[in-house]
Amino acid sequence: DIQMTQSPSSLSASVGDRVTITCRASETITNYLNWYQQKPGKAPKLLIYAASNLQRGVPSRFSGSGSGTDFTLTIGGLQPEDFATYYCQQSYSTPLTFGGGTKVEIK
Amino acid sequence: QVQLVESGGGLVKPGGSLRLSCAASGFTFSDFYMSWIRQAPGKGLEWLSYISESGRTVSYTDSLKGRFTISRDNAKKSLYLQMSSLRAEDTAVYYCVTTVGSTFYWWGQGTLVTVSS
Repeated sequence: DIQMTQSPSSLSASVGDRVTITCRASETITNYLNWYQQKPGKAPKLLIYAASNLQRGVPSRFSGSGSGTDFTLTIGGLQPEDFATYYCQQSYSTPLTFGGGTKVEIK
Repeated sequence: QVQLVESGGGLVKPGGSLRLSCAASGFTFSDFYMSWIRQAPGKGLEWLSYISESGRTVSYTDSLKGRFTISRDNAKKSLYLQMSSLRAEDTAVYYCVTTVGSTFYWWGQGTLVTVSS
């Protein structure tokens, strides 16, 4: 199984900050990497697919990069509605696996 | 708009069974793979299974060890998860999710399954 490791597991940031979350796969997954946002009590929402493609309707302050085993989600200018937990997920092979999540909290 | 509404969750005793359903609307259900994903309280996301558009192809995470069965009825625009030999560690919110290229696009609101005596 491909293990997905996210870091950090949590972070505190202020509105307007630039935030970077990393995700590492235990083996190469080329660009088969997706990012999701989950707010408390809500279902996750797809933000970015295939490592760097913004899902329709997602603000352009979100961006993704990386390939192979190392990936990054960047929020350029944190907004109040961005405080949430973020998960990466590999879509390269079954079993499909998620990272452990990164909780972005208000400083 | 796309709607996925899960139902069938609730309290069940260890060793018991439960069948979850997911009613789809707002899109052509028969055109999409569908998945079940769960989230234990306070924990991360775990993909359980997917099923192809026709239902002929299914895949499961190994840890289920044959206890769960995914199925669909395209005429009823519904997805199902039959769960048996339930354990305390199966306690979670279960999500029904449209799946394209193993990417999870649209999610239901989830249904809570609690396994406890």
